[in-house]
Amino acid sequence: GQQLNQSPQSMFIQEGEDVSMNCTSSSIFNTWLWYKQDPGEGPVLLIALYKAGELTSNGRLTAQFGITRKDSFLNISASIPSDVGIYFCAGLTQGGSEKLVFGKGMKLTVNP
Amino acid sequence: GAVVSQHPSWVICKSGTSVKIECRSLDFQATTMFWYRQFPKQSLMLMATSNEGSKATYEQGVEKDKFLINHASLTLSTLTVTSAHPEDSSFYICSAKHQETQYFGPGTRLLVL
Repeated sequence: GQQLNQSPQSMFIQEGEDVSMNCTSSSIFNTWLWYKQDPGEGPVLLIALYKAGELTSNGRLTAQFGITRKDSFLNISASIPSDVGIYFCAGLTQGGSEKLVFGKGMKLTVNP
Repeated sequence: GAVVSQHPSWVICKSGTSVKIECRSLDFQATTMFWYRQFPKQSLMLMATSNEGSKATYEQGVEKDKFLINHASLTLSTLTVTSAHPEDSSFYICSAKHQETQYFGPGTRLLVL
């Protein structure tokens, strides 16, 4: 089935560093969503993007909806230990489908 | 806002028994809810789309008689794993659609002995 290409698959950073991750697709998406999942928990919505070119911030997080509608990135600035987790991108395609298409996730490790 | 709960958070059952998992939208109404299954170190796999007042739509390869879904109200969807077997052991997560976004529940860990 359709899937988003999420990269990198994992990152190991020091506390205080910034981190960037992105998702790309060959298909056009109407909505891009970024989620964080902690072990044994459900994904928690971080940022939702609805317009091409939209740049949205949520605290230390910033995400952008690519102008081509085929990509999105998420930046985390000044990382802290509680940023550890798995970050998923997800998108809703054109055509009215309600099903989310997910990336494979990026595992973030932050060393104190 | 947009909080989704699941109950139970974990369950252990004997092989052959049925288990019901509830998904509730606490502060909004959801005509559409989704049920996912997640294997270790993998992304979420959509099992079915639950629509209030109508039959659920199942993804290819998901047995509808095995995984019964009922969406009887705008705030509650249930997933019943019938005649559970050890291979059904997994992490089950629901989500509810709200304003073009999906909000996820905390998940239910099922262990079938």
